[in-house]
Amino acid sequence: DIQMTQSPSSLSASVGDRVTITCRASQTISNYVSWYQQKPGKAPKLLIYAASSLQSGVPSRFSGGGSGTDFTLTISGLQPEDFATYYCQQSYTMFTFGGGTKVDNK
Amino acid sequence: EVQLVQSGAEVKKPGESLKISCKGSGYSFSTYWIGWVRQMPGKGLEWMGVIYPSDSDTRYSPSFQGQVTISADKSISTAYLQWSSLKASDTAMYYCAGLSTISAGTWFDPWGQGTLVTVSS
Repeated sequence: DIQMTQSPSSLSASVGDRVTITCRASQTISNYVSWYQQKPGKAPKLLIYAASSLQSGVPSRFSGGGSGTDFTLTISGLQPEDFATYYCQQSYTMFTFGGGTKVDNK
Repeated sequence: EVQLVQSGAEVKKPGESLKISCKGSGYSFSTYWIGWVRQMPGKGLEWMGVIYPSDSDTRYSPSFQGQVTISADKSISTAYLQWSSLKASDTAMYYCAGLSTISAGTWFDPWGQGTLVTVSS
């Protein structure tokens, strides 16, 4: 099984900050990574697919990068509505989600 | 609008059976894979399995193989997740989601609103 290790598991940031979340795969997975945002009591929402492609309707302050085993989700200029939990997901071999990163208000 | 609508919350006792549903609309339901994802209280997302409604080809996560059954009725654009004998540890929110695939991978979108299953004596 492919494991996806997210870090950090939580972070505190302020509006306007640049935030970077990392996901490391236990083996190389090309660019088969997606990123999701989940707010309390809501279903996850797709942000990024194929490691760096922005889903339609998602603000351009969200960006994804990486290939192989190391991937990043960056929020450039954190907005109040961005406080949420973020998950990575691989689809190279079936599916695995990372453990999540909770972004809260400093 | 592409949409997945799930059945309502359930409260069950240990040992009881349960089948929850996920109805698709706004697209050709038969030709897109549907997945199920579990989220236990306060925890992360876990992929359970996927089904292709056109021919009911089903794949399970090893963690859930034998624990649940995934099925679909393409005539009514509905996928199902069922348990034959619930345990307290099945208490969780369950999401269905459509799968999209390109050469660079597969992702879950859109998502249903979730079905909360509570198992308690």
